[in-house]
Amino acid sequence: DTEVTQTPKHLVMGMTNKKSLKCEQHMGHRAMYWYKQKAKKPPELMFVYSYEKLSINESVPSRFSPECPNSSLLNLHLHALQPEDSALYLCASSQDRGQGRGGSTVQYFGPGTRLLVL
Amino acid sequence: GDSVTQMEGPVTLSEEAFLTINCTYTATGYPSLFWYVQYPGEGLQLLLKATKADDKGSNKGFEATYRKETTSFHLEKGSVQVSDSAVYFCALSDTGANSKLTFGKGITLSVRP
Repeated sequence: DTEVTQTPKHLVMGMTNKKSLKCEQHMGHRAMYWYKQKAKKPPELMFVYSYEKLSINESVPSRFSPECPNSSLLNLHLHALQPEDSALYLCASSQDRGQGRGGSTVQYFGPGTRLLVL
Repeated sequence: GDSVTQMEGPVTLSEEAFLTINCTYTATGYPSLFWYVQYPGEGLQLLLKATKADDKGSNKGFEATYRKETTSFHLEKGSVQVSDSAVYFCALSDTGANSKLTFGKGITLSVRP
């Protein structure tokens, strides 16, 4: 099973709202990722967690706050977003050879959450 | 830094036509190479991969060969179907500590009945 699940599938929020996106995998992967994808563009990496610790933050604004409560779950907390943050948010997971060692492994993507900020 | 270049699109083909989508890369070291496919309204699915030179990845009738001498990983299919209509992304992952994916711009394929 190579399934990554994401909820909700769609989300509409105002600029003053607080919401959270959720991602789950049960493949035993210890690396998890958040990507943002605008229409007709490739995904852009936002955050990487390795063994439940944040290892990469691609200079993402603080209105996006990631959280990895355990090895199977990844959340993205959203607060005071702007209309230009409207996009498809994708979660992915992969095996990890170990902290700081990385390694070239396959990333498996979830179906995404389509976010609209009004 | 690493980069992936895909041919410009979109591409429109008739059913049963031959498909080639070009992909070239620039990377230090020995990256792994991937093709991902994104169907309308969905996330990315791994289509195939190759981890070292001369490896051939294949899946669902699609093939791509890791060519180190030409730094290429072109995607081919002998006979496309309407159901192959999607966006195709070529990507590489280096073997460094970050395991980051570098994507090409993607190309939209439309297959007509």
